[in-house]
Amino acid sequence: DSGVTQTPKHLITATGQRVTLRCSPRSGDLSVYWYQQSLDQGLQFLIQYYNGEERAKGNILERFSAQQFPDLHSELNLSSLELGDSALYFCASSVFGGGETQYFGPGTRLLVL
Amino acid sequence: EDQVTQSPEALRLQEGESSSLNCSYTVSGLRGLFWYRQDPGKGPEFLFTLYSAGEEKEKERLKATLTKKESFLHITAPKPEDSATYLCAVQAGHGGSQGNLIFGKGTKLSVKP
Repeated sequence: DSGVTQTPKHLITATGQRVTLRCSPRSGDLSVYWYQQSLDQGLQFLIQYYNGEERAKGNILERFSAQQFPDLHSELNLSSLELGDSALYFCASSVFGGGETQYFGPGTRLLVL
Repeated sequence: EDQVTQSPEALRLQEGESSSLNCSYTVSGLRGLFWYRQDPGKGPEFLFTLYSAGEEKEKERLKATLTKKESFLHITAPKPEDSATYLCAVQAGHGGSQGNLIFGKGTKLSVKP
């Protein structure tokens, strides 16, 4: 158990819908990262937050957004869902954000029908 | 462009048959190289962090090494429970709190009894 929690574990929804994925980092970690893992693309970085502020952005679609709250938990919002958004979404956390080990949560499996 | 390439894509071993997995990288300023193990449908589990060429780390049957261009994960006398996908990732850049990981596509290891 890495200490990072994610909810829900599974999510099934329809195209065009909006969903919210939630992540709680390990106790004491200030940085939260979101990654997407699909069969053909592997693990892709989406976005990083550090102590409530956006720190780095990857190839995150405009339909996707995220935030980190004062209690340091983070939410990833996915809207206008398409079939191709079906994937595993992982959250990771680290103490600060540069050069440290990131610990991953168990993931949320999203299926868009 | 920062890039990570892992080989082979898949590896089948007999129990007790030692081997090595390769991770070659091209990155502008290496802040760290990370090895993770991932079981199907689960989150990546942290194994090792390496920071500088010549560094080595060991854990049970696994040993990770780092050069200026690549890293190796050596598996000595593997057991069936070592079967998993092994992921290599790098963190690039100089300083600051940006910390996104760039992942390779992984090596899927199968160990037969």
